[in-house]
Amino acid sequence: QKEVEQNSGPLSVPEGAIASLNCTYSDRGSQSFFWYRQYSGKSPELIMFIYSNGDKEDGRFTAQLNKASQYVSLLIRDSQPSDSATYLCAVVNYGQNFVFGPGTRLSVLP
Amino acid sequence: SQTIHQWPATLVQPVGSPLSLECTVEGTSNPNLYWYRQAAGRGLQLLFYSVGIGQISSEVPQNLSASRPQDRQFILSSKKLLLSDSGFYLCAWTGGGGGEQFFGPGTRLTVL
Repeated sequence: QKEVEQNSGPLSVPEGAIASLNCTYSDRGSQSFFWYRQYSGKSPELIMFIYSNGDKEDGRFTAQLNKASQYVSLLIRDSQPSDSATYLCAVVNYGQNFVFGPGTRLSVLP
Repeated sequence: SQTIHQWPATLVQPVGSPLSLECTVEGTSNPNLYWYRQAAGRGLQLLFYSVGIGQISSEVPQNLSASRPQDRQFILSSKKLLLSDSGFYLCAWTGGGGGEQFFGPGTRLTVL
């Protein structure tokens, strides 16, 4: 059973702080890693994806991947109240389907 | 650009009634299509996926079925709904250079 684990939260951070969201996965053959944001009552929207070990930056978002530790994270710099949402981690092994984590609820306090 | 549509947006159905949810994708051809269900406060559960017309793979045995009558149309059905079928149903397609999945707006189903 391939699993993706995330802390359900809620993770509360003050406005302007860095929010750090973590995800671990069980399938060592996983190759692609995705972060989605889901506002309450809405469908998930893709934030970014990462394939290689290290960091990948996109605006205020940075994804970090460590395949040896089977760990992927998402950093949100200068957090805003509009970032308050549930963040879903998804992991894919080549040719197989996405496996989603349960999501972490982030609350950015004004 | 590609867009994905789902309808209806919300649905309230009695137990034992039939179900038909529709998903269509525009702006792409031969997409991989997926049906997910998200129960309240839970993660995404993959129900079905399709790599082409008439090709359906089921991930979870249940009283739901799926069909793909056209290249860009994916339908989720049930003959008799259960209370446990309530949830947020999401259609998705795989595209982009990185194999990303993109979701439709979803259908919120309440079975009473």
